[in-house]
Amino acid sequence: AQSVTQPDIHITVSEGASLELRCNYSYGATPYLFWYVQSPGQGLQLLLKYFSGDTLVQGIKGFEAEFKRSQSSFNLRKPSVHWSDAAEYFCAVLGVREYGNKLVFGAGTILRVKS
Amino acid sequence: NAGVTQTPKFRVLKTGQSMTLLCAQDMNHEYMYWYRQDPGMGLRLIHYSVGEGTTAKGEVPDGYNVSRLKKQNFLLGLESAAPSQTSVYFCASSRGRSGNTEAFFGQGTRLTVV
Repeated sequence: AQSVTQPDIHITVSEGASLELRCNYSYGATPYLFWYVQSPGQGLQLLLKYFSGDTLVQGIKGFEAEFKRSQSSFNLRKPSVHWSDAAEYFCAVLGVREYGNKLVFGAGTILRVKS
Repeated sequence: NAGVTQTPKFRVLKTGQSMTLLCAQDMNHEYMYWYRQDPGMGLRLIHYSVGEGTTAKGEVPDGYNVSRLKKQNFLLGLESAAPSQTSVYFCASSRGRSGNTEAFFGQGTRLTVV
């Protein structure tokens, strides 16, 4: 079965510092991968997605992520964090066909931004 | 531009009561999902549907039932609510595995079972 691991439950960075949130997945084929962000009390907003092609994908709000098949990873990065980036971030994998077309999420990483 | 709409937004139930959560999407999406979100556990898939008239179990289906009688609606039922079902419930929909498979989410339903 497909699964997603986000090793860091909480991360705290200073405003203006760079950010990397880790995501590892388990899946038997080329995955469809996503990063979502959730602000307190809100629904989920898509930051970026990887379906195929270029392994470095750009998203909204200055975020990017790199798909590394050899490491089964899809880490999210941002060069300079803003206070408004404080939120919870979720990595997700969509398993198609024999994997049941399920969209499975990691447990999330809570980002805190210090001023 | 409604997107995915969940009703109700809040509900308090007594143990043993039943209720139905409604998810409606106006994007003609094939796939629809129900998740529950609990602190530290992310979003866990309850049930999902890959088309009208079809449903499948997710990671945590026990205590829930679903129906997809119309393409635009996906209903989540709790037959006999338990305190362990206190959670925030999210519905999502996506076009499916052909084309853009991004999932769009509703704003959530906060359910408390006392």
